[in-house]
Amino acid sequence: AQSVAQPEDQVNVAEGNPLTVKCTYSVSGNPYLFWYVQYPNRGLQFLLKYITGDNLVKGSYGFEAEFNKSQTSFHLKKPSALVSDSALYFCAVRHNAGKSTFGDGTTLTVKP
Amino acid sequence: NAGVTQTPKFQVLKTGQSMTLQCAQDMNHNSMYWYRQDPGMGLRLIYYSASEGTTDKGEVPNGYNVSRLNKREFSLRLESAAPSQTSVYFCASSEGQLMNTEAFFGQGTRLTVV
Repeated sequence: AQSVAQPEDQVNVAEGNPLTVKCTYSVSGNPYLFWYVQYPNRGLQFLLKYITGDNLVKGSYGFEAEFNKSQTSFHLKKPSALVSDSALYFCAVRHNAGKSTFGDGTTLTVKP
Repeated sequence: NAGVTQTPKFQVLKTGQSMTLQCAQDMNHNSMYWYRQDPGMGLRLIYYSASEGTTDKGEVPNGYNVSRLNKREFSLRLESAAPSQTSVYFCASSEGQLMNTEAFFGQGTRLTVV
């Protein structure tokens, strides 16, 4: 069965510092991994995805994610956090028939 | 640039009442989904429709029914609402069943069952 784990419920960083939101996965076959962001009272928005190729994937708003097959991880990163990055972040794995399994989410708080 | 539109945005129901959540997308996507979001539990798939004319159960289908009315519209019905169905409901769509396509989400319906 496909699964995704986000080990941290909450991540706090200071504005201007680098941020990392962690995600590990378990899949049979090739992983198709996604990151989404949810701002308060809004739906999820797509940030980036790993399908194949380069292990470092770049996405929207300056975010990037590093795919590590040996550690089965897909951590979301940003070199310099902004207060406006504060939101709920979800990692997801896509599997059969187009369905996705989502992690429980990580709340990112960036303090000025 | 509407994307995925859900109605209503908020709803309060009494236990036992019925209602239908509406969802429409204007991106010509084949696949549509209904999720519920509960605190600390991420998103759980209720039902999905891989293409017009087909629907399948997801992870938590009990107490719900769906209708894929046409390619644009996918509705979710609660026949007899229960307090356990208090949640935020999201409709989503994607280009198809391909593994490499991302989903687009509506803004959600916040449902409270009292």
